[in-house]
Amino acid sequence: GESVGLHLPTLSVQEGDNSIINCAYSNSASDYFIWYKQESGKGPQFIIDIRSNMDKRQGQRVTVLLNKTVKHLSLQIAATQPGDSAVYFCAEIPLNSGGSNYKLTFGKGTLLTVNP
Amino acid sequence: KAGVTQTPRYLIKTRGQQVTLSCSPISGHRSVSWYQQTPGQGLQFLFEYFSETQRNKGNFPGRFSGRQFSNSRSEMNVSTLELGDSALYLCASRSGAGNTIYFGEGSWLTVV
Repeated sequence: GESVGLHLPTLSVQEGDNSIINCAYSNSASDYFIWYKQESGKGPQFIIDIRSNMDKRQGQRVTVLLNKTVKHLSLQIAATQPGDSAVYFCAEIPLNSGGSNYKLTFGKGTLLTVNP
Repeated sequence: KAGVTQTPRYLIKTRGQQVTLSCSPISGHRSVSWYQQTPGQGLQFLFEYFSETQRNKGNFPGRFSGRQFSNSRSEMNVSTLELGDSALYLCASRSGAGNTIYFGEGSWLTVV
């Protein structure tokens, strides 16, 4: 069945280091992937997205890599800051959700802790 | 422009009661979807509305229902509340043409 899972439930890094958060997905038909950041007590905040016809996409201090061969997604955060501490979720939208029927399937999340 | 707005932010209900949560999407967005977030199950899709029609539904019992109004605002209702319904209920909106899904801050429901 469809599932999105995270390799590491927690990640602790030093301020200034680069962070890499990984995600595995099982539905090879997924068309679109999104990374969200969720701080305590808040809703998920959109970080970056990537379509299945791309391998890499860069944003401000973040890069998402997609490896369709092994169905793996990663989020790289450069020069991690204390404000980056949060739970990070990857989410996928399978093609069988249909045209306007966007149904996100989320992974369990990775808690990123940035130590000053 | 304003983001997705959810009300109320916090509420406490008793088992057996019902609850209605409200969501105002980003201006111009026609799709509204609802998710339940719990520590044990993570984020799970409830349903999606587009132009007042339910387009997709997750694996939740019939006690969970929703609707969308002509101004795209949406409500979800949970009847006969159970302790296990305690969760953060998140609303998300998306423009009809775009893919990016934006979330509100959520409504924290505690059932006692």
